[in-house]
Amino acid sequence: DTGVSQDPRHKITKRGQNVTFRCDPISEHNRLYWYRQTLGQGPEFLTYFQNEAQLEKSRLLSDRFSAERPKGSFSTLEIQRTEQGDSAMYLCASSFLADTSTDTQYFGPGTRLTVL
Amino acid sequence: SQQGEEDPQALSIQEGENATMNCSYKTSINNLQWYRQNSGRGLVHLILIRSNEREKHSGRLRVTLDTSKKSSSLLITASRAADTASYFCATVPTDKLIFGTGTRLQVFP
Repeated sequence: DTGVSQDPRHKITKRGQNVTFRCDPISEHNRLYWYRQTLGQGPEFLTYFQNEAQLEKSRLLSDRFSAERPKGSFSTLEIQRTEQGDSAMYLCASSFLADTSTDTQYFGPGTRLTVL
Repeated sequence: SQQGEEDPQALSIQEGENATMNCSYKTSINNLQWYRQNSGRGLVHLILIRSNEREKHSGRLRVTLDTSKKSSSLLITASRAADTASYFCATVPTDKLIFGTGTRLQVFP
């Protein structure tokens, strides 16, 4: 069990470019979550998957954002036509949902995006 | 959007002292969790308390939950310099985590 991994750890891009982040969850975890965290704030929910199905998307997830989890394992988060307001830490978490009252999410190290 | 707030926003103490952080939230929950985040890094899960529990302990951590007041507290006893971090409470009304604004704890040697 190597924990949740994210790639890249840092990404600097110019406004208008597209970026894609990858998240590899803990093996056998059926749920995968994406959060965004700006400086000095707590993480905010973006979307989550159960296996390959995307079950919920936040209103924060504009049509420039798309997330996939094609085989129910790793996930990608793509941002098209990046804007300076997209600069943030993008966090991925996974869990094995057995009981909603005890479901614990384990976080990766995050991808820090800077849009110039 | 944030679920609620942690209080205080920042806390500075000496090693060996206890640190208490409070969290208020707005909606009914399945459980409430506390996470620690070291500067610029990912979150580490500390403890989970179910909505039908009132107190829980884990090592030097003690968490209380008062669902009637929609509040929780995290107590770290005998603090160490390594406890320096931001601490977040997160509620789970359904499936996703809804985080508070965090408390920045600084423990001086």
